[in-house]
Amino acid sequence: DQQVKQNSPSLSVQEGRISILNCDYTNSMFDYFLWYKKYPAEGPTFLISISSIKDKNEDGRFTVFLNKSAKHLSLHIVPSQPGDSAVYFCAATMNRDDKIIFGKGTRLHILP
Amino acid sequence: EAGVAQSPRYKIIEKRQSVAFWCNPISGHATLYWYQQILGQGPKLLIQFQNNGVVDDSQLPKDRFSAERLKGVDSTLKIQPAKLEDSAVYLCASRGQGADTQYFGPGTRLTVL
Repeated sequence: DQQVKQNSPSLSVQEGRISILNCDYTNSMFDYFLWYKKYPAEGPTFLISISSIKDKNEDGRFTVFLNKSAKHLSLHIVPSQPGDSAVYFCAATMNRDDKIIFGKGTRLHILP
Repeated sequence: EAGVAQSPRYKIIEKRQSVAFWCNPISGHATLYWYQQILGQGPKLLIQFQNNGVVDDSQLPKDRFSAERLKGVDSTLKIQPAKLEDSAVYLCASRGQGADTQYFGPGTRLTVL
Protein backbone atom coordinates (compact mmCIF):
# COMPACT_ATOMS: atom_id res chain seq x y z
CA ASP A 1 0.00 0.00 0.00
CA GLN A 2 1.66 3.15 -1.24
CA GLN A 3 1.13 5.98 1.21
CA VAL A 4 2.97 8.52 -0.93
CA LYS A 5 2.18 8.50 -4.64
CA GLN A 6 3.89 10.20 -7.53
CA ASN A 7 1.81 9.23 -10.52
CA SER A 8 3.99 10.76 -13.22
CA PRO A 9 7.13 8.68 -13.77
CA SER A 10 8.62 11.39 -15.98
CA LEU A 11 8.12 14.99 -17.05
CA SER A 12 9.76 17.07 -19.78
CA VAL A 13 9.83 20.86 -19.54
CA GLN A 14 11.41 23.53 -21.70
CA GLU A 15 14.28 25.45 -20.15
CA GLY A 16 13.02 28.71 -18.63
CA ARG A 17 9.47 27.47 -18.17
CA ILE A 18 7.81 26.28 -14.96
CA SER A 19 8.15 22.67 -13.84
CA ILE A 20 5.32 21.33 -11.68
CA LEU A 21 5.78 17.99 -9.92
CA ASN A 22 2.81 16.48 -8.16
CA CYS A 23 2.44 14.18 -5.19
CA ASP A 24 -0.54 12.65 -3.39
CA TYR A 25 -0.65 10.97 0.00
CA THR A 26 -3.18 8.75 1.72
CA ASN A 27 -2.23 8.93 5.39
CA SER A 28 -3.87 11.92 7.08
CA MET A 29 -1.46 11.52 10.01
CA PHE A 30 1.44 12.84 7.93
CA ASP A 31 2.36 16.29 9.16
CA TYR A 32 5.67 17.06 7.49
CA PHE A 33 6.51 16.77 3.80
CA LEU A 34 9.80 16.88 1.98
CA TRP A 35 11.16 16.92 -1.54
CA TYR A 36 14.48 15.29 -2.39
CA LYS A 37 16.43 15.54 -5.62
CA LYS A 38 18.61 12.74 -6.93
CA TYR A 39 21.25 12.71 -9.64
CA PRO A 40 22.49 9.39 -11.10
CA ALA A 41 25.03 7.57 -8.94
CA GLU A 42 24.46 9.97 -6.05
CA GLY A 43 22.31 9.82 -2.95
CA PRO A 44 19.16 11.94 -2.64
CA THR A 45 19.71 15.50 -1.46
CA PHE A 46 17.19 17.51 0.51
CA LEU A 47 15.51 20.26 -1.48
CA ILE A 48 12.63 21.82 0.42
CA SER A 49 10.06 20.91 3.06
CA ILE A 50 6.71 22.04 4.40
CA SER A 51 4.90 21.56 7.67
CA SER A 52 1.20 20.68 7.63
CA ILE A 53 0.40 23.96 9.38
CA LYS A 54 1.44 25.84 6.25
CA ASP A 55 0.14 25.79 2.70
CA LYS A 56 3.17 27.23 0.97
CA ASN A 57 6.92 27.35 1.42
CA GLU A 58 9.30 29.11 -0.91
CA ASP A 59 13.07 28.89 -1.31
CA GLY A 60 14.51 30.69 -4.30
CA ARG A 61 13.27 29.06 -7.49
CA PHE A 62 11.53 26.28 -5.56
CA THR A 63 8.05 26.51 -4.03
CA VAL A 64 6.09 23.72 -2.41
CA PHE A 65 2.32 23.95 -2.08
CA LEU A 66 0.28 21.81 0.29
CA ASN A 67 -3.47 21.16 -0.02
CA LYS A 68 -4.37 19.14 3.07
CA SER A 69 -8.02 18.68 2.18
CA ALA A 70 -7.02 17.08 -1.11
CA LYS A 71 -3.99 15.32 0.43
CA HIS A 72 -1.93 16.76 -2.38
CA LEU A 73 1.31 18.65 -2.64
CA SER A 74 3.25 20.06 -5.56
CA LEU A 75 6.73 21.34 -6.22
CA HIS A 76 7.10 24.30 -8.57
CA ILE A 77 10.45 25.15 -10.12
CA VAL A 78 10.62 28.46 -11.94
CA PRO A 79 12.46 29.14 -14.11
CA SER A 80 13.59 25.60 -14.92
CA GLN A 81 17.30 25.19 -15.60
CA PRO A 82 19.31 22.35 -17.20
CA GLY A 83 20.79 21.42 -13.81
CA ASP A 84 17.29 20.68 -12.56
CA SER A 85 17.21 17.51 -14.66
CA ALA A 86 17.09 14.78 -12.00
CA VAL A 87 14.72 12.42 -10.20
CA TYR A 88 12.54 14.15 -7.61
CA PHE A 89 11.18 12.23 -4.64
CA CYS A 90 8.22 13.36 -2.60
CA ALA A 91 8.37 12.14 1.00
CA ALA A 92 6.31 12.40 4.18
CA THR A 93 6.66 11.74 7.88
CA MET A 94 4.35 11.74 10.92
CA ASN A 95 6.76 13.79 12.95
CA ARG A 96 10.15 15.13 12.10
CA ASP A 97 11.95 12.39 14.00
CA ASP A 98 9.97 9.58 12.50
CA LYS A 99 10.82 7.49 9.46
CA ILE A 100 10.35 9.08 6.06
CA ILE A 101 8.05 7.44 3.54
CA PHE A 102 9.16 8.10 -0.04
CA GLY A 103 7.19 8.12 -3.28
CA LYS A 104 8.52 6.35 -6.38
CA GLY A 105 9.95 9.52 -7.86
CA THR A 106 9.43 11.61 -11.00
CA ARG A 107 12.22 12.01 -13.53
CA LEU A 108 12.38 15.60 -14.73
CA HIS A 109 14.00 16.40 -18.08
CA ILE A 110 14.75 20.03 -18.84
CA LEU A 111 14.85 20.51 -22.60
CA PRO A 112 17.15 23.12 -24.19
CA GLU B 1 32.20 19.20 6.28
CA ALA B 2 32.62 15.69 4.89
CA GLY B 3 29.45 13.93 3.78
CA VAL B 4 28.20 10.43 4.45
CA ALA B 5 30.68 7.87 3.14
CA GLN B 6 29.74 4.43 1.89
CA SER B 7 31.72 1.51 0.53
CA PRO B 8 31.89 -0.34 -1.69
CA ARG B 9 30.12 1.66 -4.41
CA TYR B 10 29.32 -1.43 -6.45
CA LYS B 11 29.11 -5.13 -5.63
CA ILE B 12 28.19 -8.13 -7.74
CA ILE B 13 27.61 -11.49 -6.04
CA GLU B 14 25.85 -14.75 -6.75
CA LYS B 15 22.71 -15.76 -4.91
CA ARG B 16 23.28 -17.46 -1.56
CA GLN B 17 26.55 -15.58 -1.06
CA SER B 18 27.09 -13.07 1.73
CA VAL B 19 27.81 -9.37 1.41
CA ALA B 20 28.49 -6.46 3.76
CA PHE B 21 28.21 -2.72 3.30
CA TRP B 22 29.88 -0.03 5.36
CA CYS B 23 28.73 3.48 6.24
CA ASN B 24 30.51 6.35 7.95
CA PRO B 25 28.02 9.10 8.85
CA ILE B 26 28.67 12.81 9.13
CA SER B 27 30.71 13.50 12.24
CA GLY B 28 28.54 14.07 15.29
CA HIS B 29 25.33 12.76 13.73
CA ALA B 30 23.60 10.54 16.27
CA THR B 31 20.93 9.11 13.99
CA LEU B 32 21.83 6.72 11.18
CA TYR B 33 19.54 5.09 8.65
CA TRP B 34 19.86 2.28 6.12
CA TYR B 35 17.51 2.35 3.12
CA GLN B 36 16.93 -0.08 0.26
CA GLN B 37 16.07 1.43 -3.12
CA ILE B 38 14.89 -1.05 -5.72
CA LEU B 39 14.96 0.15 -9.34
CA GLY B 40 11.93 2.31 -10.08
CA GLN B 41 10.99 2.69 -6.42
CA GLY B 42 11.66 5.23 -3.72
CA PRO B 43 14.03 4.46 -0.84
CA LYS B 44 12.53 2.19 1.81
CA LEU B 45 13.78 2.34 5.39
CA LEU B 46 15.37 -0.87 6.62
CA ILE B 47 16.72 0.20 10.01
CA GLN B 48 17.23 3.33 12.09
CA PHE B 49 19.87 3.73 14.81
CA GLN B 50 20.03 6.35 17.53
CA ASN B 51 23.67 6.28 18.63
CA ASN B 52 24.30 2.52 18.89
CA GLY B 53 20.70 1.54 19.71
CA VAL B 54 18.05 0.37 17.24
CA VAL B 55 15.03 2.69 16.99
CA ASP B 56 13.15 1.00 14.16
CA ASP B 57 13.92 -2.24 12.34
CA SER B 58 10.35 -3.20 11.51
CA GLN B 59 11.05 -3.49 7.77
CA LEU B 60 14.37 -5.31 8.05
CA PRO B 61 14.13 -8.94 6.81
CA LYS B 62 15.80 -10.31 9.92
CA ASP B 63 16.14 -13.85 8.60
CA ARG B 64 18.85 -12.65 6.20
CA PHE B 65 19.66 -9.02 6.96
CA SER B 66 21.56 -7.73 9.97
CA ALA B 67 23.00 -4.36 10.90
CA GLU B 68 25.11 -3.00 13.69
CA ARG B 69 26.49 0.31 14.78
CA LEU B 70 29.18 -0.39 17.30
CA LYS B 71 30.39 2.67 19.25
CA GLY B 72 27.60 4.74 17.73
CA VAL B 73 29.59 5.90 14.70
CA ASP B 74 30.22 3.60 11.72
CA SER B 75 27.66 1.03 10.70
CA THR B 76 27.63 -2.18 8.68
CA LEU B 77 24.71 -3.84 6.93
CA LYS B 78 25.02 -7.52 6.08
CA ILE B 79 22.99 -9.84 3.87
CA GLN B 80 23.42 -13.58 4.36
CA PRO B 81 22.43 -15.37 2.18
CA ALA B 82 21.58 -13.01 -0.66
CA LYS B 83 18.59 -13.54 -2.94
CA LEU B 84 17.96 -12.23 -6.45
CA GLU B 85 15.37 -9.78 -5.11
CA ASP B 86 18.01 -8.12 -2.93
CA SER B 87 19.43 -6.43 -6.03
CA ALA B 88 19.08 -2.74 -5.21
CA VAL B 89 20.93 0.38 -4.14
CA TYR B 90 21.58 0.47 -0.39
CA LEU B 91 21.63 4.00 0.93
CA CYS B 92 22.95 5.18 4.26
CA ALA B 93 21.81 8.49 5.73
CA SER B 94 22.52 10.41 8.92
CA ARG B 95 20.87 13.22 10.81
CA GLY B 96 22.11 15.56 13.51
CA GLN B 97 20.40 16.10 16.85
CA GLY B 98 17.31 18.27 16.46
CA ALA B 99 17.82 18.64 12.72
CA ASP B 100 15.11 18.11 10.11
CA THR B 101 17.26 16.89 7.28
CA GLN B 102 18.71 13.50 6.56
CA TYR B 103 21.94 13.52 4.58
CA PHE B 104 22.42 10.61 2.23
CA GLY B 105 25.55 8.86 1.09
CA PRO B 106 26.11 7.89 -2.57
CA GLY B 107 24.84 4.36 -2.00
CA THR B 108 26.10 0.86 -2.78
CA ARG B 109 24.64 -0.76 -5.89
CA LEU B 110 24.23 -4.49 -5.28
CA THR B 111 23.62 -6.93 -8.11
CA VAL B 112 22.73 -10.51 -7.19
CA LEU B 113 23.11 -13.00 -10.05
